[in-house]
Amino acid sequence: DTGVSQNPRHKITKRGQNVTFRCDPISEHNRLYWYRQTLGQGPEFLTYFQNEAQLEKSRLLSDRFSAERPKGSFSTLEIQRTEQGDSAMYLCASSGRMNEQFFGPGTRLTVL
Amino acid sequence: AQTVTQSQPEMSVQEAETVTLSCTYDTSESDYYLFWYKQPPSRQMILVIRQEAYKQQNATENRFSVNFQKAAKSFSLKISDSQLGDAAMYFCVLRSGNTPLVFGKGTRLSVIA
Repeated sequence: DTGVSQNPRHKITKRGQNVTFRCDPISEHNRLYWYRQTLGQGPEFLTYFQNEAQLEKSRLLSDRFSAERPKGSFSTLEIQRTEQGDSAMYLCASSGRMNEQFFGPGTRLTVL
Repeated sequence: AQTVTQSQPEMSVQEAETVTLSCTYDTSESDYYLFWYKQPPSRQMILVIRQEAYKQQNATENRFSVNFQKAAKSFSLKISDSQLGDAAMYFCVLRSGNTPLVFGKGTRLSVIA
C-alpha cells in the first residue's frame, strides 16, 4: 500500500499522560500536514512540514503539542499532559508537486 | 483570512437522482484551488474533485461536477445518478498556494434506496 499511513489507529489514554502518533507519508511527497478533527466538524490545521522543516504552526498547537519530521520522511505528533479536550481524530496528509493532499486514516484519541 | 461556508448541514437524495451541495468561500488571493473531499463514516478522507481558480471550465469527474462561479465565490458540487456508496460527509475545501487546507463544516449526505 503506497498511501499515507498512521499509527496507532486508536489510542485511549488517561488525562495527564503523554501520547505520540506517527504518520508515514507517500514516499515521494515532501510536504506533510497534521490536522485535528472533532466530531461533526471539518479538520483544522495544526502544523506543516516541507521536508524536515516545520514551516507553519497553528495557534491551536499549544505548548503541550510538538511535531517532528527528523529526516523529512515520517513525522510524529506528541501531546504532553493530555486533557479531555484533546480527544479528537488526528489526521495526517501529504502532498507533492501537485496541490492535492492525500489523507491517512487518522488516529482517534480518547482521553479519559 | 480565508473562510469556507457550507450552509447545508444535512442533505438527502433518492438513489439515482441528482443532488447539489452548496459552498461559498472567501479569499483575497488570486491564485487558489478548490476541492471537494468525501469522508465516509469511519473511513478515510478522499478527494472527489478539484478546481483551479484560473480555469473557467468547470471540473467534472464521472458523476461528479462542479459549478464554479468565481465572481460570486461559489463552488457547488453536483452528484448525478446518486448511489448508496455516495453517502458520506462532504467537505468543501480551499487552498491558496502552499497554505494549509481550509475546510468548511461539511454537509452530511444521505442516499435513500
